Parts: sequence; C-alpha cells; structure tokens
Amino acid sequence: EAQVTQNPRYLITVTGKKLTVTCSQNMNHEYMSWYRQDPGLGLRQIYYSMNVEVTDKGDVPEGYKVSRKEKRNFPLILESPSPNQTSLYFCASSTGQGRFWNEQFFGPGTRLTVL
Amino acid sequence: DQQVKQNSPSLSVQEGRISILNCDYTNSMFDYFLWYKKYPAEGPTFLISISSIKDKNEDGRFTVFLNKSAKHLSLHIVPSQPGDSAVYFCAPLTSGTYKYIFGTGTRLKVLA
Repeated sequence: EAQVTQNPRYLITVTGKKLTVTCSQNMNHEYMSWYRQDPGLGLRQIYYSMNVEVTDKGDVPEGYKVSRKEKRNFPLILESPSPNQTSLYFCASSTGQGRFWNEQFFGPGTRLTVL
Repeated sequence: DQQVKQNSPSLSVQEGRISILNCDYTNSMFDYFLWYKKYPAEGPTFLISISSIKDKNEDGRFTVFLNKSAKHLSLHIVPSQPGDSAVYFCAPLTSGTYKYIFGTGTRLKVLA
C-alpha cells in the first residue's frame, strides 16, 4: 500500500530535550515536506526537499532541522524544543515531476506537546 | 502577510444541496491551485486542482472555478453528502517552486 508513515504519532516532551520525528514514504517520490498545523493558521511549511541531500526552508523553519540522506526518509529534528513548537506535524511527499508533480500525499500526523 | 485567505471558518449545508467554499489570494505569481480535504485524526488528502490556464475543472461532484482577475477560486460540491463533512484547504503555488502556501481552512458540515 502506497503510504507516508510518521513516528511517533503522539509525543509529550520537555523543553530542551532533543527529539526526532521520522517520516518515510514507499512511493519513490522525489519531493518531501514537513508542515505544522496550528488553530487558525492552517498548515505552514517548515522545510522541504527536492531530492537526496537537497533541502530548503519553508515559511517557518526556525527551531527545526531536517536531513535527506535517503530518498524514502525525511526526519524532522528539534534540537532544543520549546513550548511554542507544540503543534500537529505532517509529513508529505509527491513525485515532484510529471503530470501529478504537485499532488502531495500526507502522513497521519504527529501530535507534539512540549512542556 | 497572508497570501491565501479562506474567510469562512465554517459552513453548514443540508444534504443534497450545493456547498460552495471560497478562497482568495494576493500573489499573482500563483499559477496552480489545489484543494485538500482533511478528516479529524488523518492527514490531508488531495481533492482537485486547477491550472491558471483554465477557469473551471470538474471531477465528479467536485468543481473548482478560478477567477484570475479577482484572484479568487471556489470549490463547489454538488450534491453534498454527509461524508463530505471535513476541513477543506486551498493551496496555491507557483510552478517551478515547491513552497506551498495553505489557506486556514473551512470546516464543512453536511447535515443529513
């Protein structure tokens, strides 16, 4: 089954404790992206990646890091989480080319709470 | 600077009637417009899209209309069904870039 998986689905942590949210897709997609969803703000793009070793900032990259060492994986790293990073996070992927280049497939979301 | 606005946070429609969801944008460089649907506890799913070279695109019960001069697009759902109850996001972008801007969403409730 074609899918985007995220782990963990739920995480409660404390300020300053480094964490990683994993994202993996099995569709051989070139493009991957991370978003956060907050009430009244919709989805905001954090980082995206066009291919292995190619990443770029979205609208709200501060406090986040990403890496793309393999095509299928795109982890989101919070080196020193703060309470304002409490949010619902989504990973997404798309082919990045061809007719359906921009139709993104989303993961189920990770709800992060930073105390 | 809010480039994409969905001014109706919520909308209630009777089953079988038409649902119209609106989206306004300010960036004239946007040339591709997508709609996503999101159910609670799930990720968004792609619904329908339209290129700026068109003013209408249909897919079954879903039709998207684009008015470039007004920088406005709308999603029509006819007939509306209870299973359409979800949050709908418009997401315009500029071809050749991969920075997606999502609207704040409209929560549609279709009443049986």
